[in-house]
Amino acid sequence: SQTIHQWPATLVQPVGSPLSLECTVEGTSNPNLYWYRQAAGRGLQLLFYSVGIGQISSEVPQNLSASRPQDRQFILSSKKLLLSDSGFYLCAWSSFRGATGRETQYFGPGTRLLVL
Amino acid sequence: GEDVEQSLFLSVREGDSSVINCTYTDSSSTYLYWYKQEPGAGLQLLTYIFSNMDMKQDQRLTVLLNKKDKHLSLRIADTQTGDSAIYFCAEWRRRGANNLFFGTGTRLTVIP
Repeated sequence: SQTIHQWPATLVQPVGSPLSLECTVEGTSNPNLYWYRQAAGRGLQLLFYSVGIGQISSEVPQNLSASRPQDRQFILSSKKLLLSDSGFYLCAWSSFRGATGRETQYFGPGTRLLVL
Repeated sequence: GEDVEQSLFLSVREGDSSVINCTYTDSSSTYLYWYKQEPGAGLQLLTYIFSNMDMKQDQRLTVLLNKKDKHLSLRIADTQTGDSAIYFCAEWRRRGANNLFFGTGTRLTVIP
């Protein structure tokens, strides 16, 4: 069966410090991978998605970046965190390949980031 | 517009029915989804409906789809305290490699 892991679960970082959040998927190959942010009291904001190793699409310009060094590994990074980067970061995967629209995204447990 | 819209909050008493509404944007969306997010956790798929259906029932859950008005609803019968969560609707749009667009989420609070 497929599983998705995120770490760390919780992170408190000072403004201006770097960030690295990791997401790994097991039990599937060549997944689509997604990073979302959920700010307090707000909905999901898609940050990045990837359809393959080294292929990253950014949905929102910001001081965050993403990388996919391996098929089932997705990393969210920042060189200098801002206060506004605080939120709940969710990684998701799907195996969707096609045009029918029948896609399920499976979400990880999330990382809660607090920037002080 | 581009946004999938939902009311932010809903409160119901335990045992009553809950109805969570969603307005989506793309009339050609083929699948529409409901996800549930429990406190401090990721999202889990609850149910989905194909666009050629008007209704889908799955135990306590009933999904209604009005394609003309682009309106989707989720009804939870006999709502329990364990149903307290944020509920997201999502629509699938034919657009490149990223196709699933989520609503803002509705926070359901069940009052004992």
